[in-house]
Amino acid sequence: EVQLVESGGGLVKPGGSLRLSCAASGFTFSSYSMNWVRQAPGKGLEWVSSISSSSSYIYYADSVKGRFTISRDNAKNSLYLQMNSLRAEDTAVYYCATSSGWYIDYWGQGTLVTVSS
Amino acid sequence: QSALTQPASVSGSPGQSITISCTGTSSDVGGYNYVSWYQQHPGKAPKLMIYDVSNRPSGVSNRFSGSKSGNTASLTISGLQAEDEADYYCSSYTSSSTHNYVFGTGTKVTVL
Repeated sequence: EVQLVESGGGLVKPGGSLRLSCAASGFTFSSYSMNWVRQAPGKGLEWVSSISSSSSYIYYADSVKGRFTISRDNAKNSLYLQMNSLRAEDTAVYYCATSSGWYIDYWGQGTLVTVSS
Repeated sequence: QSALTQPASVSGSPGQSITISCTGTSSDVGGYNYVSWYQQHPGKAPKLMIYDVSNRPSGVSNRFSGSKSGNTASLTISGLQAEDEADYYCSSYTSSSTHNYVFGTGTKVTVL
């Protein structure tokens, strides 16, 4: 059974940093592209970033480019999102998710990031 | 990159069929057969319902079907059931150089 467990969320002040982690199990992590997708409270889904299986290809949404960094450690079956220069509008539940093709097939339960003074 | 356009809400009675539209551009929905649909119940993670326009993952009811015409994709739910009440989001691959995916604005489905 595919399991994705996010951690690292919490309350941070504007301008601060946070590092999210996602522990994957139940599938061959190193074979899959991975993604971060976020959802602001009461709002829709927003794709944040993607990383290919070998980290060769990395993409970011314009809203986070230059502030967020996605990475992975295939030996540890883990995905990360380093978030710097956080803003109030980054407040959201952040989901870790897999991609088998040009779609997102499995999602974690999410971790809440709140940016507030 | 603008979000794909979906109706804010759609409703139907049990047993009826409803259709949710998802309108994009030739750079996303219209240009590729990479439209997917997600169901999200309150407080839960999204669940993949349809991928590559019309394919259902294993375990998804055949009451859910997808199609596409031009720049508009559609999700049809037939034989509407109470458990189908949820938010639904479409998504598409986009050829924008800085993006992989674009999501729809979301549709709240209400079972009357």
